[in-house]
Amino acid sequence: DVKVTQSSRYLVKRTGEKVFLECVQDMDHENMFWYRQDPGLGLRLIYFSYDVKMKEKGDIPEGYSVSREKKERFSLILESASTNQTSMYLCASSEAGAREETQYFGPGTRLLVL
Amino acid sequence: QKEVEQDPGPLSVPEGAIVSLNCTYSNSAFQYFMWYRQYSRKGPELLMYTYSSGNKEDGRFTAQVDKSSKYISLFIRDSQPSDSATYLCAMSEGGGSNYKLTFGKGTLLTVNP
Repeated sequence: DVKVTQSSRYLVKRTGEKVFLECVQDMDHENMFWYRQDPGLGLRLIYFSYDVKMKEKGDIPEGYSVSREKKERFSLILESASTNQTSMYLCASSEAGAREETQYFGPGTRLLVL
Repeated sequence: QKEVEQDPGPLSVPEGAIVSLNCTYSNSAFQYFMWYRQYSRKGPELLMYTYSSGNKEDGRFTAQVDKSSKYISLFIRDSQPSDSATYLCAMSEGGGSNYKLTFGKGTLLTVNP
């Protein structure tokens, strides 16, 4: 059974803090993604990675960075958290070369920046 | 024009009703079409996917794609309160070389007992 896990369900951080969000998948997928989801804006892609140590910017990368040192793990880093980064963060993974590009999501991390 | 348009609702129906959820899109290169269900405060889960035009049925759910009209639908028969969730459409050009999915913003459905 497909499984994507995220390190925290809820996080509360202060403005200016460095925040790490971790995602692990057990499906041996090459592709991993970070999204944020906000009411009225839908899912927006922050970064994705198609291989270990490879990354590409998505639609809204500003204020974020990522790290992929191992195939199964993809980390999202907020270098200096700001209140406008309060959101639901979703990690997903997909199989490279799969025709349909189906993505499998984790449960999400709800981040509140005060 | 946005690449994928989805009516946000909210949609409220009585238990047992037939529900129709829809998305329109502008990119004629899309070939793979997915529906995700997202319960409140949870991650989206894949419900169904279809390739190209046609219908696909899975229990009470039917996904329909009309590429000529650039229109996809998800039908839910005999809707249940447990179907209350946000439904997201997603699509891709496929072929394994384009990693990204394009999502609709989701339709919030409530099924009332």
